[in-house]
Amino acid sequence: EAGVTQFPSHSVIEKGQTVTLRCDPISGHDNLYWYRRVMGKEIKFLLHFVKESKQDESGMPNNRFLAERTGGTYSTLKVQPAELEDSGVYFCASSPWTGGNEQFFGPGTRLTVL
Amino acid sequence: AQSVTQLGSHVSVSEGALVLLRCNYSSSVPPYLFWYVQYPNQGLQLLLKYTSAATLVKGINGFEAEFKKSETSFHLTKPSAHMSDAAEYFCAVSDGGKLIFGQGTELSVKP
Repeated sequence: EAGVTQFPSHSVIEKGQTVTLRCDPISGHDNLYWYRRVMGKEIKFLLHFVKESKQDESGMPNNRFLAERTGGTYSTLKVQPAELEDSGVYFCASSPWTGGNEQFFGPGTRLTVL
Repeated sequence: AQSVTQLGSHVSVSEGALVLLRCNYSSSVPPYLFWYVQYPNQGLQLLLKYTSAATLVKGINGFEAEFKKSETSFHLTKPSAHMSDAAEYFCAVSDGGKLIFGQGTELSVKP
């Protein structure tokens, strides 16, 4: 069974540009999560989808971030326009369960904003 | 609100020595607790989880953790470190589905 995949693995952009990150969850997992780790800090929750609906987006930092999950399958996270402080590693995770159960993580996308 | 504190951002042990990575949590309800590991250039992998069954939880690669409610702790141990254990380790608590992570502890293993 394929794991969670993320694309691209690395992205280097200039301040003000737009970047779109993609996550493909494990097939059949209704729950999809985005997290971010800024260098030197802890991994922080961004948002949670259940199928195509946003269940919790309390961790989204501001309106420059837009997440979508088309048809309840893959998800994209767009940053527009990117700022220096958006640099970090963006992780996606999926789970077949809601509530307090394990999540399966992708390898992450390392975003560098210059 | 739930929170997690990992004591020590960097721990170094000799090969064959005991590994002890500390995690304390704060939770208003019985917690679900997790340890994840991230090897270089890889994603996070679940080591073990506590979901209110046995207080001593065994995980993969010889790791285990003990849930101590009185101390609000969930420390990770391994009796004998191996070079392949060098990685970053994250303790996390579930908060309504999302995970709240500690700061991470980087484990180095010296030959």
